[in-house]
Amino acid sequence: GENVEQHPSTLSVQEGDSAVIKCTYSDSASNYFPWYKQELGKGPQLIIDIRSNVGEKKDQRIAVTLNKTAKHFSLHITETQPEDSAVYFCAARKLSSNTGKLIFGQGTTLQVKP
Amino acid sequence: GAVVSQHPSWVICKSGTSVKIECRSLDFQATTMFWYRQFPKQSLMLMATSNEGSKATYEQGVEKDKFLINHASLTLSTLTVTSAHPEDSSFYICSARDGFGLAVSGELFFGEGSRLTVL
Repeated sequence: GENVEQHPSTLSVQEGDSAVIKCTYSDSASNYFPWYKQELGKGPQLIIDIRSNVGEKKDQRIAVTLNKTAKHFSLHITETQPEDSAVYFCAARKLSSNTGKLIFGQGTTLQVKP
Repeated sequence: GAVVSQHPSWVICKSGTSVKIECRSLDFQATTMFWYRQFPKQSLMLMATSNEGSKATYEQGVEKDKFLINHASLTLSTLTVTSAHPEDSSFYICSARDGFGLAVSGELFFGEGSRLTVL
């Protein structure tokens, strides 16, 4: 089945610096790649997503890039702020599948130091 | 955006008792809901896919008789942990897919999670 690998597991940056989190997926049929932010004791919140028909998507300080050939996708956060500190998960899914099963990466704990 | 509500947000129970967790889609109809389990500092692991009006599909290694799932309406799915034991203590999270409005977008909406502690 689908497997999603995420790196790094922890990431510490200084406020204002950029943070990059990378994921690889195994199922070439996956075509939807969302990123979630999870704060302590809460459910995951979607922060950005990308489909396989585009290579990059931006939303203010957050961007996601996708390399279908290499089966890699990455999350880029620029001008990081302390409130960006959280656990981030990548995920992959086949939109064509009626079940819409979402497979998560292992998560990255991001710490932004003031 | 769409809202998914989970109840209770936390529950403490004695070993051997059963606990029911509800997942509701508040402003859309969810033909499919998903139940995840998350241990501390770990990722979300899919337990089962809940389809309205039919039996749930369980992932490998998840005991069907232990984790009973019912999706009787388009806005409600329930997860019942039967004869709970301390090793069942975990954070349970549901998500729902809009079966009609946002089906093309692919977005899944997550609940806030339910923390179960079994003494």
